[in-house]
Amino acid sequence: GNSVTQMEGPVTLSEEAFLTINCTYTATGYPSLFWYVQYPGEGLQLLLKATKADDKGSNKGFEATYRKETTSFHLEKGSVQVSDSAVYFCAPSSKLTFGKGITLSVRP
Amino acid sequence: DTAVSQTPKYLVTQMGNDKSIKCEQNLGHDTMYWYKQDSKKFLKIMFSYNNKELIINETVPNRFSPKSPDKAHLNLHINSLELGDSAVYFCASSLFNQPQHFGDGTRLSIL
Repeated sequence: GNSVTQMEGPVTLSEEAFLTINCTYTATGYPSLFWYVQYPGEGLQLLLKATKADDKGSNKGFEATYRKETTSFHLEKGSVQVSDSAVYFCAPSSKLTFGKGITLSVRP
Repeated sequence: DTAVSQTPKYLVTQMGNDKSIKCEQNLGHDTMYWYKQDSKKFLKIMFSYNNKELIINETVPNRFSPKSPDKAHLNLHINSLELGDSAVYFCASSLFNQPQHFGDGTRLSIL
């Protein structure tokens, strides 16, 4: 089946630092890949997605590229803000258990 | 214009009680889900319904019973609540195999 492996958290950064959160996948075929974000006290919401190899998803300054050769979908942002503090989940379209995500804390 | 709404937002009750959580979506989606998120933020699927039919039923105690009266509603009834049931429960909906839309969660605390 399809699954993802996320880097271990939590991640703590200073404001304006560069962010990378690693996500690698194993899949039969090429499922769509998603990054979700969960802000404190809220449910998950879709942050960005990519539906095929070499697609780049982007939203709110975040980017992730669906890389077939490295089976990766790493999340990046050039300059994080305090308001980006949240839990981030990587998931293929067919996977319904999201795991524990990565908690990002951004210090002023 | 809330897309996925679940009630109540907070639920505090005693061990042994029976409680229900309601969920409604107005997005026209055909698939709905219940998830449990523990204190470490681990989010695990419990149930999934597609067009009112149960399609996923993970290893969940029989005390948990979902009911889908129509495609827009998926309720969760819990019998004989236990301390370990304390968690945040999320309802979500989607078109099949598409990104999910989540409610804001129901925070269940068992005393």
